[in-house]
Amino acid sequence: GAVVSQHPSWVICKSGTSVKIECRSLDFQATTMFWYRQFPKQSLMLMATSNEGSKATYEQGVEKDKFLINHASLTLSTLTVTSAHPEDSSFYICSARSHPGASGKTLAYNEQFFGPGTRLTVL
Amino acid sequence: GQQLNQSPQSMFIQEGEDVSMNCTSSSIFNTWLWYKQEPGEGPVLLIALYKAGELTSNGRLTAQFGITRKDSFLNISASIPSDVGIYFCAGHVTSGTYKYIFGTGTRLKVLA
Repeated sequence: GAVVSQHPSWVICKSGTSVKIECRSLDFQATTMFWYRQFPKQSLMLMATSNEGSKATYEQGVEKDKFLINHASLTLSTLTVTSAHPEDSSFYICSARSHPGASGKTLAYNEQFFGPGTRLTVL
Repeated sequence: GQQLNQSPQSMFIQEGEDVSMNCTSSSIFNTWLWYKQEPGEGPVLLIALYKAGELTSNGRLTAQFGITRKDSFLNISASIPSDVGIYFCAGHVTSGTYKYIFGTGTRLKVLA
């Protein structure tokens, strides 16, 4: 199957600092990547949709200046949590949608492959 | 944000029992998917359904895409301890946005 990695897997930072999380599709090209947030014992909530080479589309209620998303290539998207506060502590998960035929693999079109998540703790 | 209604919220079952969970929506979806998530990890795709009425199996798992396109169910037969985890359904909203809407999750615990 398709593999998506995230780095770091966990991070602890002080309030007021910025944290960057990377999402990479390792063996396929992803035209679209998605960023989700998950609080303990809750479901995944979509934060934004990231398309390569264009601005991200944010879901209602998500501050675009707070959560900066960059999708510079077909295999990398980054999420930067700026001026992090304790309430930003959460599990952040990315997913990547396969670009049909681009990787040479037969992947289901529209299928999203998820990364392992990044646990952010803001002190 | 929007979520799908998933039931039951949690289940405690004995090893060997069958499990059934479902997901309902007020909106129509083109695709239904079922994921399993273990603690501290991202969701892993179990089954994807692309047509209304479709019934698909993956080992001991069977899932169906409801005829109305507003619901789906997942069955797990002969549960084993490693089935423990949180199961999420997800609906694909429209072909244009490629967004998924996730269900509220069903937490499964299997007692040996």
